[in-house]
Parts: sequence; C-alpha cells; structure tokens
Amino acid sequence: AQSVTQPDIHITVSEGASLELRCNYSYGATPYLFWYVQSPGQGLQLLLKYFSGDTLVQGIKGFEAEFKRSQSSFNLRKPSVHWSDAAEYFCAVRGQGAQKLVFGQGTRLTINP
Amino acid sequence: DGGITQSPKYLFRKEGQNVTLSCEQNLNHDAMYWYRQDPGQGLRLIYYSQIVNDFQKGDIAEGYSVSREKKESFPLTVTSAQKNPTAFYLCASSSGLLGQYEQYFGPGTRLTVT
Repeated sequence: AQSVTQPDIHITVSEGASLELRCNYSYGATPYLFWYVQSPGQGLQLLLKYFSGDTLVQGIKGFEAEFKRSQSSFNLRKPSVHWSDAAEYFCAVRGQGAQKLVFGQGTRLTINP
Repeated sequence: DGGITQSPKYLFRKEGQNVTLSCEQNLNHDAMYWYRQDPGQGLRLIYYSQIVNDFQKGDIAEGYSVSREKKESFPLTVTSAQKNPTAFYLCASSSGLLGQYEQYFGPGTRLTVT
C-alpha cells in the first residue's frame, strides 16, 4: 500500500531564510508525486508535481522539489521564504493507474519576521 | 472563471440530523472526490466518483453517502450514523482517472455538529 511520511509536524524559519520540507513515500513502482499548500480555512492549492523525466521540478511561488528514487524522497525547497509562505504543506503520492491520492500528515510552516 | 465551489462555507447542525454538503465544478472534469480533514491530520478519502451515476467508497465511507447525477455535481450527505461528523470537508476534481492528473480542490466546508 502507498504511504507518505512528512517527518516534521511544525517548522519555524525566519523570513528570507531557506526552507526544506521533507517527504518520504512508500510505493513499489515509480509514483506520481505532488506538493500542495493550504492556508488556514482554505482549500488546497497545487504547488508542483512530478510524473517523470527531470527529477528537479519547478513549481509556483518560487518552490522546487527533487525526486530521489534511491531515498524514496520528494523534498520541497525554497531559497528564500516570505511571510506569505506561512501555511500548511502536504505531500501526496499516487500510483500509476491508481485512482486514489494518498496524503502525508502535513507540515505547518511558521515564518518569523 | 473555472473552478470548484463548495457551499456553504460554515454549516451548523444538531446531532441526529442529516446534512448535505454541496460541491459543483465547471472544469469539465470526469472524476470528483470528497475528503475529510481533522486538525493535525492529513486528508482522508470519503468517496470518489469516476463518471456520472457511479461512485466508490474511500477509506472512511461509513456514515456518509453521495450521488453523482450530473457531471458537474457531487453532493455529500453526512448522516446521523456518522459518529464524529464535526470536521472540515474538501471536495476535489481531476480531469482523468489515471495518476498523472492532479486534483483541484474547492475552498471547503466546515461542519460543526452539536
């Protein structure tokens, strides 16, 4: 069965600092991987996705993520965070041909001014 | 603008009452989904539908029911059998059945049952 682990429940970084949010997945074959962001009381917005090809994918709002098959990871990065990046971030995985998206527990990001 | 609408944003009900949450999309997507989100938890799949007049149970379907009479609409009923219905409910849709199609989410409905 597919599963996703986001080891960090809550992360605090200073504005302007770099960010890396961790995501590890469990799936037998090459998965489809996603990162979503959720502001309080809102729906989820897709940041980026990986299907195949280049393992470094660029997304919206200056985010990028790198797929590392050997580590079963898909970590999200941003070189310099802004106060508006404070939100909850979810990693998700979906198997090829599978209908269901499996989400991690989420990482809440707080930005210090 | 294309998108997914959920109404209402906040919903309050007394225990023992059924309540229906609305989800409408104008993205011409075939697949639609309902998720439940509780504080500090990820999203859990309640039901999903691939085509009109067909739907499948997700991981936590007990106490919920759905219908898919139109491509654009996928309402969710929270029945009195749902033991802990207070939660944030998210509707999503995607353009295909295969894994590479991302899901788009509505703004959510917060249901409070007292």
